[in-house]
Amino acid sequence: GENVEQHPSTLSVQEGDSAVIKCTYSDSASNYFPWYKQELGKRPQLIIDIRSNVGEKKDQRIAVTLNKTAKHFSLHITETQPEDSAVYFCAAEGQAGTALIFGKGTTLSVSS
Amino acid sequence: NAGVMQNPRHLVRRRGQEARLRCSPMKGHSHVYWYRQLPEEGLKFMVYLQKENIIDESGMPKERFSAEFPKEGPSILRIQQVVRGDSAAYFCASSPPGGDSQETQYFGPGTRLLVL
Repeated sequence: GENVEQHPSTLSVQEGDSAVIKCTYSDSASNYFPWYKQELGKRPQLIIDIRSNVGEKKDQRIAVTLNKTAKHFSLHITETQPEDSAVYFCAAEGQAGTALIFGKGTTLSVSS
Repeated sequence: NAGVMQNPRHLVRRRGQEARLRCSPMKGHSHVYWYRQLPEEGLKFMVYLQKENIIDESGMPKERFSAEFPKEGPSILRIQQVVRGDSAAYFCASSPPGGDSQETQYFGPGTRLLVL
């Protein structure tokens, strides 16, 4: 089945720096790649997603890139702020075309 | 438009008891997914349901766990004879009916199950 690897597991940056989180997936048939942000004790919230017909998508300070050939996708956060501190999960569409397979998460800490 | 609702938010059970977790999808959403999250881990897919149908239960343990999404009412995840290892956060997500492409999944607030 689909397998998603996410790196790094923890990331500490200074406020204003950029943060990059990388994920790889195994199933070349996957076509949908969302990113979720989860604050402590809260629900995962979708922050951005990308489908396989595009290579890059941007929404203000957040961008996602997708390389289907290499089967990896990345989240880029620019001008980080303390409120960006959270756990970030990448996911890929599972083989059934419906379930999401999640990476293990990256704990991002932004210090001011 | 209310988001995905889950109840209870917290549930405490003793070993051997049954746990029932409920999920009401967003209005207009007919697809429901259940995920389990262990402390400091990612979300693991359990089961995907549409109204009155289980579409994919490949992530759900074969014993003690069952799920349903009746024509009327919320989706229910049922865990019989709970054990300590069942302690986790259980999240439900819903998505609208889609065509060939994957639709965005929106998560509920989760039910935190503690088995004593």
